[in-house]
Amino acid sequence: AQSVTQPDIHITVSEGASLELRCNYSYGATPYLFWYVQSPGQGLQLLLKYFSGDTLVQGIKGFEAEFKRSQSSFNLRKPSVHWSDAAEYFCATEMNRDDKIIFGKGTRLHILP
Amino acid sequence: NAGVTQTPKFQVLKTGQSMTLQCAQDMNHNSMYWYRQDPGMGLRLIYYSASEGTTDKGEVPNGYNVSRLNKREFSLRLESAAPSQTSVYFCASSDRTRNTGELFFGEGSRLTVL
Repeated sequence: AQSVTQPDIHITVSEGASLELRCNYSYGATPYLFWYVQSPGQGLQLLLKYFSGDTLVQGIKGFEAEFKRSQSSFNLRKPSVHWSDAAEYFCATEMNRDDKIIFGKGTRLHILP
Repeated sequence: NAGVTQTPKFQVLKTGQSMTLQCAQDMNHNSMYWYRQDPGMGLRLIYYSASEGTTDKGEVPNGYNVSRLNKREFSLRLESAAPSQTSVYFCASSDRTRNTGELFFGEGSRLTVL
């Protein structure tokens, strides 16, 4: 069955440090992959998406993600985090071009001053 | 632009009662979705509709029914509410014809079943 795994429930980094959030998807043809962010009390906002082509994808707010087929991964990165990046991050996938979009359980990011 | 509008925003039910969550989008999107969000569980897909007249089960459809009333509206019905259905429900829509894949979410509906 289609699935997305985010291995880290919580991650804490210091402000200014680099960040990598992990996402793995279950086997399938090249999936559509997404990262969304949900700030406290807010709705979900799309950070970036991958459909095909260049495996390094740039998004909003200085985020990027790299699709690695060999590892079934789509990890989110940011070179230097800001206190405002504290939020919950969700990886999502659409495996079969069938509109069925599945989310991972999320990673909550905490920022130390 | 209203985007995706959900009603009601808050609802308290007793076990066994029924209710319908309404969702409407004004972006002319073909695809619409219902998710539930619970702490530690992320967003789980309940039902989705790829186009007017079609609906499909998601990950957790049991206890729910949906209706794609027209292109704009997609309702979620709980026929006999259970405490396990206490959750925050999100409706979303997407424009597949432009292949963007981006989901646009409503503000959420917080449902408590006693």
